[in-house]
Amino acid sequence: NAGVMQNPRHLVRRRGQEARLRCSPMKGHSHVYWYRQLPEEGLKFMVYLQKENIIDESGMPKERFSAEFPKEGPSILRIQQVVRGDSAAYFCASSQRQGDNEQFFGPGTRLTVL
Amino acid sequence: QQQVKQSPQSLIVQKGGISIINCAYENTAFDYFPWYQQFPGKGPALLIAIRPDVSEKKEGRFTISFNKSAKQFSLHIIDSQPGDSATYFCAASMLLGSYKLIFGSGTRLLVRP
Repeated sequence: NAGVMQNPRHLVRRRGQEARLRCSPMKGHSHVYWYRQLPEEGLKFMVYLQKENIIDESGMPKERFSAEFPKEGPSILRIQQVVRGDSAAYFCASSQRQGDNEQFFGPGTRLTVL
Repeated sequence: QQQVKQSPQSLIVQKGGISIINCAYENTAFDYFPWYQQFPGKGPALLIAIRPDVSEKKEGRFTISFNKSAKQFSLHIIDSQPGDSATYFCAASMLLGSYKLIFGSGTRLLVRP
């Protein structure tokens, strides 16, 4: 299966802990997008990365959130000192950036902050 | 200007009926308009997409109608089936730039048997 993989699928953290979400893009894709979906809402863009570069982070909160896409390994979305408002589903999408740049989404990580 | 407004919030249709979901945008720089289907607990999956140089695109039972002057586009599902019950999101992006998708708020479709 060459789909987008995300892990963990579910993550529970207490307030103040760190959350690390991982995304492995589809084979051959070098562009990764992270989106956040709050309950009963649409997806909101957070950040766009290529290998070793952040291209667009206009949707990322200024504090506590960071993202990386190293030369080797998955893309990581890191949330430090989590708060209850960070509880959401976090989706990763990947693309080849050709043609219409179709973005293929992973199954998401559902973060719950207690 | 970056918003995409979607309606209705929820929709109930009888099996075999037509489902219609509408979206409107403000930013005339948007030039790619996909529709995504999402089942509970899953990630969104691309259903159909259109560029503004055409007014309609059809794939099977799914059709996008696009009105550039009104800055509106809609998804029509004919012969709706219970298996179509899902949440549908319209989106927009600019093919120059970061390609980030701006999503509508979603429509929860229920097709009754």
